[in-house]
Amino acid sequence: GAGVSQSPSNKVTEKGKDVELRCDPISGHTALYWYRQSLGQGLEFLIYFQGNSAPDKSGLPSDRFSAERTGGSVSTLTIQRTQQEDSAVYLCASSLFAQGQPQHFGDGTRLSIL
Amino acid sequence: QQQVKQSPQSLIVQKGGISIINCAYENTAFDYFPWYQQFPGKGPALLIAIRPDVSEKKEGRFTISFNKSAKQFSLHIMDSQPGDSATYFCAAGLTGGGNKLTFGTGTQLKVEL
Repeated sequence: GAGVSQSPSNKVTEKGKDVELRCDPISGHTALYWYRQSLGQGLEFLIYFQGNSAPDKSGLPSDRFSAERTGGSVSTLTIQRTQQEDSAVYLCASSLFAQGQPQHFGDGTRLSIL
Repeated sequence: QQQVKQSPQSLIVQKGGISIINCAYENTAFDYFPWYQQFPGKGPALLIAIRPDVSEKKEGRFTISFNKSAKQFSLHIMDSQPGDSATYFCAAGLTGGGNKLTFGTGTQLKVEL
C-alpha cells in the first residue's frame, strides 16, 4: 500500500483480555517501529524490528507485551491480560532502513480497556 | 539522559505570524532531529528533519534552527496559516542505535484568523 496501515483503528476490550494489534508497513521498508501515545502525551518507544529480528525491545513496559514480525513485513503487537493503564493509541512506523531514514507513521490503533 | 524537553505546551498565533517551538535534549549522542505534525485522529507526519552538522534547514515555510553547543533546536513556521493548527512534536534519534526516536511532549498550535 501507499502508507503504513494499522488495524483495527479502534479496539475496546475488557480488562484481562488479550488483544492483537496489526501493522502493515510501507512495501520495501525493512525497519518497523512500535510507539505508544497516551492521552496528551508524546510518543513512547516500545520496540523496533530490522527485518524479522527485534534488536531493541527496551521500551516494552512489561512481559505482558510482545511483538513479532514475519516475512519482513506485517507485525503484530500482542498485549496479554490487559490493564486499564494499557489504554492508549498504539502507533506503528516504518522506514527504509533503521539507520537514520525517515519514519512514516500509520494512524494508530486506539485501545480502550474497560 | 534520554529526555527531550519541548516548550511551549500550547501556542496561539495570528494568521501570518511566526510560530516558534523549542526543544532541548540531554544525550549528546543524538544525531537525528525530526519534527512531526499531528492532526486529531491521525498519525504523526514528518515535516522536516536536521542532523547536527548543519545549524539551519529550511523547507518552504518551515525552518529548523539547531544549536549543538546548547543542545537545543527549534521549529519556526513562517506566515502561519489556520491549516497549520495541529500538534507538533520534536524528536531525537540515534542513527547507530536503530534510530528509535525519543519524543518531546508536544505543542498544540492554534493559528487564529
